[in-house]
Amino acid sequence: NAGVTQTPKFRVLKTGQSMTLLCAQDMNHEYMYWYRQDPGMGLRLIHYSVGEGTTAKGEVPDGYNVSRLKKQNFLLGLESAAPSQTSVYFCASRRRAGVGTGTDTQYFGPGTRLTVL
Amino acid sequence: AQKVTQAQTEISVVEKEDVTLDCVYETRDTTYYLFWYKQPPSGELVFLIRRNSFDEQNEISGRYSWNFQKSTSSFNFTITASQVVDSAVYFCATLSGGSYIPTFGRGTSLIVHP
Repeated sequence: NAGVTQTPKFRVLKTGQSMTLLCAQDMNHEYMYWYRQDPGMGLRLIHYSVGEGTTAKGEVPDGYNVSRLKKQNFLLGLESAAPSQTSVYFCASRRRAGVGTGTDTQYFGPGTRLTVL
Repeated sequence: AQKVTQAQTEISVVEKEDVTLDCVYETRDTTYYLFWYKQPPSGELVFLIRRNSFDEQNEISGRYSWNFQKSTSSFNFTITASQVVDSAVYFCATLSGGSYIPTFGRGTSLIVHP
C-alpha cells in the first residue's frame, strides 16, 4: 500500500494564479482531510470529507475549494493564490469506525510545500 | 468542544537524557481517543500511538512510553535515553467518539543535542 500520497511535493505560484493539489489514498478510507501547517500555528483544518461526493468546511476554509468525486481522491483548489496561502499542506485519511471497533487512526500524506510570491 | 494543550513549546536535552512531553486534553465526552504523532525535520507526520478512553494502561514501546491518566486529563509521552534521531516536533491529538475532526495540540519541538 502506498498509503496517502500528495501531488505535487513542491510548487511556487505567483499571486493570482490557480492550482489544484491532489491527495490520493489506497486504504479505502471514508474520511479525508486537508490541513495547512504554518510555523507556530500547528495544524489547521481547511476542509474535510466524510464520503464520496460530500465536503465540509474546517477552521480556515476561505480561499480554498475542494472536491471528492472519487472515494480515493480529495482535491484542494486555490482559485486565486495569495501570499498568505504560503504554507505546507497535508492531506490525511481515516477509516470510518465500525460497530464495536472504535475509531481509527488518521494517516497523513508527505505534504506539499507551496510558496506564493 | 475539545482542546489539547502542549504547554512545552520547545525542549532541549543532551543525548541519553530522559525527556517527558506533556499533553493535557479537555473533552466532555466519555468516549474519546488520544494520539501522538512525530514530525521529524523531513516533514512527514508519523503516527506513534492511539489510546481509547477506556484503556488507562500505560504503554511501552522500546524507548518510548506513554502515561495516560484520566484523573488529570493527561497523556504524557516519555523518551528514555534520548537520541539525536528523536529530534522532531511531537503532536498530541484527541478525537471524540462519533466526531469527524481530531483536535491537535500546537506541538512540542524536541531538540536532542549530541
